[in-house]
Amino acid sequence: DQQVKQNSPSLSVQEGRISILNCDYTNSMFDYFLWYKKYPAEGPTFLISISSIKDKNEDGRFTVFLNKSAKHLSLHIVPSQPGDSAVYFCAASAGTASKLTFGTGTRLQVTL
Amino acid sequence: NAGVTQTPKFQVLKTGQSMTLQCAQDMNHNSMYWYRQDPGMGLRLIYYSASEGTTDKGEVPNGYNVSRLNKREFSLRLESAAPSQTSVYFCASRRTGGTGELFFGEGSRLTVL
Repeated sequence: DQQVKQNSPSLSVQEGRISILNCDYTNSMFDYFLWYKKYPAEGPTFLISISSIKDKNEDGRFTVFLNKSAKHLSLHIVPSQPGDSAVYFCAASAGTASKLTFGTGTRLQVTL
Repeated sequence: NAGVTQTPKFQVLKTGQSMTLQCAQDMNHNSMYWYRQDPGMGLRLIYYSASEGTTDKGEVPNGYNVSRLNKREFSLRLESAAPSQTSVYFCASRRTGGTGELFFGEGSRLTVL
């Protein structure tokens, strides 16, 4: 049972435009959500997080939105840059001390 | 500042052979994790250790064993490797509180022939 879903395996966006990556979850106990970025042959690196007490968190070009009623979160990257080309994973947990469950990832390609 | 260190980075095994993946973190984190990454499957949790002396199964524990040797080290053992265990393995440790983020190692690519 996939508790965290990323339904778009890939996304292509032009440089300078907005990239929107989506993630859905089914477990209502999840209250902490994170986005990770992964380049080939490297470990995933933390990008941004949000707790369920918020509906938006912003860090530079990256903003995460959380819609608890829809059990949906999204990552917005504005403006997109070629260096943003990577696989993006969303992850969720019940609290910051419990195990993280990851989605299957979305491969973002930012074209010139 | 090493963070999470995994060894080996690459390994080729024959079916039935055993091996241990080593992981160490220097961030004084309580919890540690082993994930595997397969195409189209994302990162799946194999085992985790919430604190020194405890270990728990994740989503895909079959065929694996783990040892939390001390607070720093968390090893993953394949007793009798199978081709289905060909994967990239990631060790991670997690900060409690704050952003609660996982810090990952660089990964270990394992091929079982």
